[in-house]
Amino acid sequence: EVQLVQSGAEVKKPGESLRISCKGSGYSFTSYWISWVRQMPGKGLEWMGRIDPSDSYTNYSPSFQGHVTISADKSISTAYLQWSSLKASDTAMYYCARHPGELLNWFDPWGQGTLVTVSS
Amino acid sequence: DIQMTQSPSSLSASVGDRVTITCQASQDISNYLNWYQQKPGKAPKLLIYDASNLETGVPSRFSGSGSGTDFTFTISSLQPEDIATYYCQQYDNPRALTFGGGTKVEIK
Repeated sequence: EVQLVQSGAEVKKPGESLRISCKGSGYSFTSYWISWVRQMPGKGLEWMGRIDPSDSYTNYSPSFQGHVTISADKSISTAYLQWSSLKASDTAMYYCARHPGELLNWFDPWGQGTLVTVSS
Repeated sequence: DIQMTQSPSSLSASVGDRVTITCQASQDISNYLNWYQQKPGKAPKLLIYDASNLETGVPSRFSGSGSGTDFTFTISSLQPEDIATYYCQQYDNPRALTFGGGTKVEIK
């Protein structure tokens, strides 16, 4: 079974750093891209950026460029989303999702989500 | 970025009703349009890709159509388990993927 399993919920203070993870299983991790999607409380879906795990090539949405870093470790089939300095406005659910290729961008499956809460 | 305008933002229908959601792109996106279902507290699920292709295992009451700038998602006979929020997503520009605002479907 193809699965993406994300790390658990996090509670952080403003200014702290954070890295959340997304581990793929049941498929060749380097054959599919991984995207990250944000969902703020009660709001819709926002694409943040994506990575090709085979070579760690990344694209970012202009809205998130410079605010987050996407990376991957293909040796352990895991993608990451990280912040160097969190803000309260980063409070959201974050999903990773797989897609077939650079030009084939439908997301299937999705991880279960990681809830990030940033509060002083 | 390509803007995706979904309508309505919410709707209420009876079991067995035909439900239609529209998604309009701010520019021609060919058929690079996908539809997702998100049930409360759950991750989204792919239903339709490339405007009209039903994902494996998805019930045939779900369908999609359209190309260019105007797209339609239909549930032919609404079931209680279809209560969810539905999102369209374009990928004409693979470096700037965008979602519609979502349509919340409720049972009347």
